[in-house]
Amino acid sequence: DGGITQSPKYLFRKEGQNVTLSCEQNLNHDAMYWYRQDPGQGLRLIYYSQIVNDFQKGDIAEGYSVSREKKESFPLTVTSAQKNPTAFYLCASNAGVRNQPQHFGDGTRLSIL
Amino acid sequence: QKEVEQDPGPLSVPEGAIVSLNCTYSNSAFQYFMWYRQYSRKGPELLMYTYSSGNKEDGRFTAQVDKSSKYISLFIRDSQPSDSATYLCAMIPSGNTPLVFGKGTRLSVIA
Repeated sequence: DGGITQSPKYLFRKEGQNVTLSCEQNLNHDAMYWYRQDPGQGLRLIYYSQIVNDFQKGDIAEGYSVSREKKESFPLTVTSAQKNPTAFYLCASNAGVRNQPQHFGDGTRLSIL
Repeated sequence: QKEVEQDPGPLSVPEGAIVSLNCTYSNSAFQYFMWYRQYSRKGPELLMYTYSSGNKEDGRFTAQVDKSSKYISLFIRDSQPSDSATYLCAMIPSGNTPLVFGKGTRLSVIA
């Protein structure tokens, strides 16, 4: 089945550690996105990529980094500079052409030990 | 003023009721409108996608867009306990830009 796979489902981070969240899609979509979801905050855009080897900062990029070396993969690294990383992280993709809705994975919940 | 406003609820209704969920927006450039449903600990799933003023129906769901008033609605007929979820509106201007989301309305349908 085509879709977006996020792993792991739950992730724990110690203070001062970097952690990487995985996002893989087999929908042949050009564009991929990372969102952070906090209670009462809705979805906030961290980074997005419209094509391989290119990406743009979203509204809350500080403390995060991404790479887009392959079309199907868009990993997100939460660095130690992100002071409040506990949240639900969602990855999405779309065809990258005009006006297409996004499709989401089932998220990774990151917690601080 | 936020670009997209959505009442967070929670909204609690009895089974079989008609549910009305709403979003208002300030950016007249928004042309394309979506509704997503999100169950607890899951990613949002696309329910409705529309780009014109008026109504679009899909089963028990109707999406309504009023561009002149900058107002969109999602109606759920004959609501079921399985409809209990958070509903997010989203919109984009023309062009390939990221979606702008409302904060979501949490709905509970009580059997």
